Amino acid sequence: SQQGEEDPQALSIQEGENATMNCSYKTSINNLQWYRQNSGRGLVHLILIRSNEREKHSGRLRVTLDTSKKSSSLLITASRAADTASYFCATVGPSGSARQLTFGSGTQLTVLP
Amino acid sequence: DAGVTQSPTHLIKTRGQHVTLRCSPISGHKSVSWYQQVLGQGPQFIFQYYEKEERGRGNFPDRFSARQFPNYSSELNVNALLLGDSALYLCASSLVGDRTEAFFGQGTRLTVV
Repeated sequence: SQQGEEDPQALSIQEGENATMNCSYKTSINNLQWYRQNSGRGLVHLILIRSNEREKHSGRLRVTLDTSKKSSSLLITASRAADTASYFCATVGPSGSARQLTFGSGTQLTVLP
Repeated sequence: DAGVTQSPTHLIKTRGQHVTLRCSPISGHKSVSWYQQVLGQGPQFIFQYYEKEERGRGNFPDRFSARQFPNYSSELNVNALLLGDSALYLCASSLVGDRTEAFFGQGTRLTVV
C-alpha cells in the first residue's frame, strides 16, 4: 500500500513558471525523499530532508517538511521543459531502514515550452 | 562508473510461468532492494537484501522470492505468474550507514499475458 497521497496528481505549467507539488504521509518518519521518474523508467534521487529539518534547498529545488501535519512540498523554480516527469515522495520509517522506501502515488508534471 | 544495471529490460511471459530478474548494484554498494511499480502508481517495496541476507520484506505473496550473491548482485524470482504481476520491477542499491540515498536501475518491464 502507498504511504500517502500526492497532490495534484497532474500539473501542467508554462516554461519559466514555478511548480509546487505536495505530499502527505501517514506514519512517523526518519526522513522524506523526493524522486523523479522519466517515462516509466528508473527513479532519480532529488533531495532528502530529515525529520528534524523544516526546509532544504538544492539548486532550483526547495523542499519543506511539516511533521505536525505529516506533509511535505517540493517547489521547482523557473521550470524547464526538461523538468517534465513524474515526481514521487518517499518516506523512511523511524528505525531509519533507509533501504525500505515507502512511496506516494506521484505527481505528473508537464512543462510546456 | 556504471550505475545499477538490470536485465532484461523487457520480458513477456505467460500466466503460470516463472520469471527471474537480475540486478547488479553500484560497485561498493552492499544493499539491494526490489520494488514493483504498477502503471500509474508509485513503487511498492518487495525485498531488501544486505550482506546476502533478507533484511526486509513487503506485503507480497510467497510466489515472490529473492537472493543476493557474494558479489552483491541479486535475483528476484516470481513463480506462477498472474496477470496482475505485470509491472515495472525496479532494483535499487545503496550504501550502509548514514547515507540513505537509493540509486535505481532502469527497471525490467514484465508483461504477463
